[in-house]
Amino acid sequence: GESVGLHLPTLSVQEGDNSIINCAYSNSASDYFIWYKQESGKGPQFIIDIRSNMDKRQGQRVTVLLNKTVKHLSLQIAATQPGDSAVYFCAENRLSGSARQLTFGSGTQLTVLP
Amino acid sequence: NAGVTQTPKFQVLKTGQSMTLQCAQDMNHNSMYWYRQDPGMGLRLIYYSASEGTTDKGEVPNGYNVSRLNKREFSLRLESAAPSQTSVYFCASSVGTGGRGELFFGEGSRLTVL
Repeated sequence: GESVGLHLPTLSVQEGDNSIINCAYSNSASDYFIWYKQESGKGPQFIIDIRSNMDKRQGQRVTVLLNKTVKHLSLQIAATQPGDSAVYFCAENRLSGSARQLTFGSGTQLTVLP
Repeated sequence: NAGVTQTPKFQVLKTGQSMTLQCAQDMNHNSMYWYRQDPGMGLRLIYYSASEGTTDKGEVPNGYNVSRLNKREFSLRLESAAPSQTSVYFCASSVGTGGRGELFFGEGSRLTVL
């Protein structure tokens, strides 16, 4: 069946480098995507979102890129800091029955090395 | 700002026991959700409530019941707990519905069923 997934379960980067976290989706009808950050023992926190009529959206130190042709979503974090160490989830608004709800991927663990 | 508050934060049950997880939000949001998170997996939607007085099943509703007590409160009940329900449960709320827009999550309730 269709699912939201991630290419890599773990990612390690040096402090100060840029991080790229990837996400593949297979539901071409999804029209909204969102990234969350989850620190250990805490609830997910919103990072950035993007609608399907956009290819790119920027926030503070983060950029989300959407490639609808290959059904790929990525989160770029500039100048990665130790506080960025967390699990990152992408989600898409898949149709579930008669309503759309956010469906989450399994997450990528980002570790920032000193 | 309290945001989304869940109680209890930790609970241990024996197989067959029942319990209710409580959730309250103070953001005047219309929609509320219950997700579960298992190791190595993303968040899976159990039930949601698009507005006061309505509830709908999500991806994994079996073994659970919910009550939208009022606009602020949304409870999740396990009538006869099973070890497969050992998980971390997150409550969330959002302004609207339709799978678009930020979900605000609580800190989670960690449940162990022996």
